[in-house]
Amino acid sequence: AQSVTQLDSQVPVFEEAPVELRCNYSSSVSVYLFWYVQYPNQGLQLLLKYLSGSTLVESINGFEAEFNKSQTSFHLRKPSVHISDTAEYFCAVGGYGGSQGNLIFGKGTKLSVKP
Amino acid sequence: DGGITQSPKYLFRKEGQNVTLSCEQNLNHDAMYWYRQDPGQGLRLIYYSQIVNDFQKGDIAEGYSVSREKKESFPLTVTSAQKNPTAFYLCASSPGTYTDTQYFGPGTRLTVL
Repeated sequence: AQSVTQLDSQVPVFEEAPVELRCNYSSSVSVYLFWYVQYPNQGLQLLLKYLSGSTLVESINGFEAEFNKSQTSFHLRKPSVHISDTAEYFCAVGGYGGSQGNLIFGKGTKLSVKP
Repeated sequence: DGGITQSPKYLFRKEGQNVTLSCEQNLNHDAMYWYRQDPGQGLRLIYYSQIVNDFQKGDIAEGYSVSREKKESFPLTVTSAQKNPTAFYLCASSPGTYTDTQYFGPGTRLTVL
């Protein structure tokens, strides 16, 4: 079974500052990982994902995440945030060999970007 | 445009009544999912279906029921047995394999009065 922990429930940051949203996971098998973003009263949208291969994955809007197997982490980073990045971010983990649908979501981190 | 639709966006029901939430997708995806979202709790899986006429319980299936009679549709019924049904419900679909991205609908906010 897998579990995922998002260490910060809320992260306030000023516009143009860098940000890191932390995600740690636990699993007895190899994992694949996702970051999703949710704007108020909407569904989730995929931001980026790691399946295998290069441990650094990037999104089209400047976010990146690095899979670190030794630290069991998949932290999300952006070097300079915009007001429009204000949203809730969810990390999710699945295990290779597990049953489909067994995607475990973290409790979310609310990113608040202030002018 | 391809996507997932959920209706209604807001739903109010009296305690003790069953209610059905609609989820339709035109992405030709095989797999569909229902999640419940509560503030500060993340998403919890209620039911999922990998193929028509087949579905499996997720982590919190008690008090819920589903059907999958068509590939495009995966309605969720919240029964009177669900003790705390007020929540935001999200439907998702994916092409089929477990590493595929799940695509989410806009959600239905259910309030039981």
